Amino acid sequence: KQEVTQIPAALSVPEGENLVLNCSFTDSAIYNLQWFRQDPGKGLTSLLLIQSSQREQTSGRLNASLDKSSGRSTLYIAASQPGDSATYLCAVMGSGSRLTFGEGTQLTVNP
Amino acid sequence: ETGVTQSPTHLIKTRGQQVTLRCSSQSGHNTVSWYQQALGQGPQFIFQYYREEENGRGNFPPRFSGLQFPNYSSELNVNALELDDSALYLCASSLVRFNEAKNIQYFGAGTRLSVL
Repeated sequence: KQEVTQIPAALSVPEGENLVLNCSFTDSAIYNLQWFRQDPGKGLTSLLLIQSSQREQTSGRLNASLDKSSGRSTLYIAASQPGDSATYLCAVMGSGSRLTFGEGTQLTVNP
Repeated sequence: ETGVTQSPTHLIKTRGQQVTLRCSSQSGHNTVSWYQQALGQGPQFIFQYYREEENGRGNFPPRFSGLQFPNYSSELNVNALELDDSALYLCASSLVRFNEAKNIQYFGAGTRLSVL
């Protein structure tokens, strides 16, 4: 059974800092890995998707990497801003086209 | 905007009642997945429908059931509501082609269900 773990559970940083969120998964037989953002009480916004054959994806200040063999992914956020404050969720897609999510990292960026 | 819409936005029910949540998929998508997200946790997979047939189920009891219609809209039904069913229910649609593993799921904004 796939299990996804995100570390840390919560993170508070000053504005402008670069930061890394971590995600690990137990079964390396995945099709893709996706990072989502969730604002309080809201749905999910997809940030980046990395196919199993890829090593990384970039979008603006965000960069996500994938090391499938070791079961790890990182989300790097450059020059953090207060608007980046949200919960970040990592999810992997395995067989059956179902997503398995971690419990998220709650990020607070202080002005 | 993902093109996936869910209704209602919020819902309050009492224990033992039944509830129906609705999801309208993105145009052209043939697959819908439902997830339950309890407060402070990540979403949990409930089930998936592909071309109107159930195509996988997570660890949820039979009182959670669903339907997918010919226009690929979908319903999630929960019978005999329990307090622990209080959660955000998310619907995601995708286009699944035979033998293609990289389908991307697009999420709606969710329905927040409170069971009192």
